[in-house]
This record gives sequence, C-alpha cells and structure tokens, in this order.
Amino acid sequence: GQQLNQSPQSMFIQEGEDVSMNCTSSSIFNTWLWYKQEPGEGPVLLIALYKAGELTSNGRLTAQFGITRKDSFLNISASIPSDVGIYFCAGQSSSNTGKLIFGQGTTLQVKP
Amino acid sequence: DAGVTQSPTHLIKTRGQQVTLRCSPKSGHDTVSWYQQALGQGPQFIFQYYEEEERQRGNFPDRFSGHQFPNYSSELNVNALLLGDSALYLCASSYGRKRYTFGSGTRLTVV
Repeated sequence: GQQLNQSPQSMFIQEGEDVSMNCTSSSIFNTWLWYKQEPGEGPVLLIALYKAGELTSNGRLTAQFGITRKDSFLNISASIPSDVGIYFCAGQSSSNTGKLIFGQGTTLQVKP
Repeated sequence: DAGVTQSPTHLIKTRGQQVTLRCSPKSGHDTVSWYQQALGQGPQFIFQYYEEEERQRGNFPDRFSGHQFPNYSSELNVNALLLGDSALYLCASSYGRKRYTFGSGTRLTVV
C-alpha cells in the first residue's frame, strides 16, 4: 500500500538532546498529522497542520507543514525518557479526505 | 468521556476461518475508519463508514467487509483468513474527516 517516506527509521539519543525527523511524499497533501504510538496502544495525535508553511508547537514538540505541501518535519526539544515510542507522520489529501496515509514510523529511544 | 473502544484486544484464528472485530467510537463522533498495521509498519487504510455506508475504501480485497450501526459503532469482518492477515487492526473515529482518534486496536494472529 501507499506510504510516506519517513526518516530516520530509528534514533537512539541521550536524554536532553533535541530530535528531528521528517516525512516526504510524491503527492501533495492539504493536512499533515504527527502521531505517537506506544507499545500496546493506538496512535495518539500530537500535532495537526492544515496550511503550507504552518509552524505549530505542542509543548516541547514543534512541527512544520512544508511549503511544497509534500513534506513535514517534527522536532522534539530536550528529550526525556517518556518520549520513547514510535512517531508516525500521516498525510491527508483534498481529493481523498477519508484516508490517512502513514509513514513507516521513526522509533525513538532515549537513554537516561 | 470514553475514547474509542475496540474488542477483543487479542484474537487467535486458524487459516480459512472468519473473524469479526468491533469498535465503539468516541462520544460525539459519527465516522469510523479501519486500519491494518503490520508489525514494523505504519497503519494502512482499509475503509471508512459514515451514515451506515462505506464511504471510502483502500486497497484491500473483498474478504474485508464492514458495517456501521445506527449508534455509529462498527464491525470489521474478514473472511477466509490468511497468515498475512495477522496484524494490529485499528479503529479510528472522527466527527467529519478531521481529528481522528484511534483505539488501542485488536491484535489478530492467524495460525
């Protein structure tokens, strides 16, 4: 099935470090979403972006909707152990609004 | 306020059998979508139900079917199970087509 290109696949960082991950698509999206999934749970929405160029924060998390509408970025500042999990980007197009297309996920591990 | 509830949480089935998974949407939500998440992958869209009808469908065979009831709850049915159907099945609800809330999923193992 169709998926977005999300990188990196995994990250192992020290507590306190900043984290960056990104997502690219060959198609244009009018909505970009970032989710976090922990073991045994479903994805939880972190940030939603609805306009090209939009920069939105949620605590230590900041995400941007790329100008080309084909990419998005998520940054986590000053990571803490509870940031551990799998982060997914998801895109939603104007012609296919019922469907979210997900990336493969970025697995984040934080060393205390 | 209960979120999205899915049942059962885990299920083991034999190849060729049929399975039914259930989802109760978050209060106030009228749209239910189903996703399949294979191990190590992102969720893949199966279909979406609104007003008791399938509104949109992903690239899944007809063995996958669903239903939405008047109270907005939904079922996912899979017939003639294959080993490759083993996955986490996620239900997501929304009001309209924004701000999807996901349930914790049903882990299906086909042996």
